[in-house]
Amino acid sequence: EVQLLESGGGLVQPGGSLRLSCAASGITFANYALTWVRQAPGKGLEWVSVLSDSGATAYYADSVNGRFSISRDTSKNTLYLQMNSLRAEDTAVYYCAKSPRGGWPPGLYGMDVWGQGTTVTVSS
Amino acid sequence: DIQMTQSPSSLSASVGDRVTITCRASQSITTYLNWYQQKPGKAPKLLIYAASSLQSGVPSGFSGSGSGTDFTLTISSLQPEDFATYYCQQSYSMPYTFGQGTKVEIK
Repeated sequence: EVQLLESGGGLVQPGGSLRLSCAASGITFANYALTWVRQAPGKGLEWVSVLSDSGATAYYADSVNGRFSISRDTSKNTLYLQMNSLRAEDTAVYYCAKSPRGGWPPGLYGMDVWGQGTTVTVSS
Repeated sequence: DIQMTQSPSSLSASVGDRVTITCRASQSITTYLNWYQQKPGKAPKLLIYAASSLQSGVPSGFSGSGSGTDFTLTISSLQPEDFATYYCQQSYSMPYTFGQGTKVEIK
């Protein structure tokens, strides 16, 4: 069974940093594009960032571009989201999700497996 | 960025009703359109990809249609477990934006 498990969330002050992790099991990690999606309290889904199956290509939402960085460690089967210069509006549940098929771009098939999410709260 | 607009934002329906949710893109996305279901406190679940393809394991009462800029998610006969929020998402060009969601509530 394919599983994604996020961790690393917590309370951080505005301007601070946090690194989220997403550990994958049941899949060959390097074969799939992986995406971070977030959801602010009571709000809808917001696409945040994606990393290609090769790890060579990344895209970011305008709202986080220049502050967040996506990466992975294939030896640990883990995806990361380094979040710097955090703002109150970054407060959200952060999900990682995978595409069901390999290749790039990953768009046609949606995201078929999601983690349970990790909560980030930015507040003083 | 491509903007996705869903309508309605919410609806009330009864078990057994046929429900239709629409999603409009700000430019053509051909058939790069996905639908997700989300229940409170849970991660989203993929229902439909490529506008009309049913994800494995999803009940056949769900269907999707459309191309270009206008898309529809239809639930043929609403079941108790279908009360949730539904999101469309374009995957034509980055960033892969979501619609604002449609909450389906019990009448």
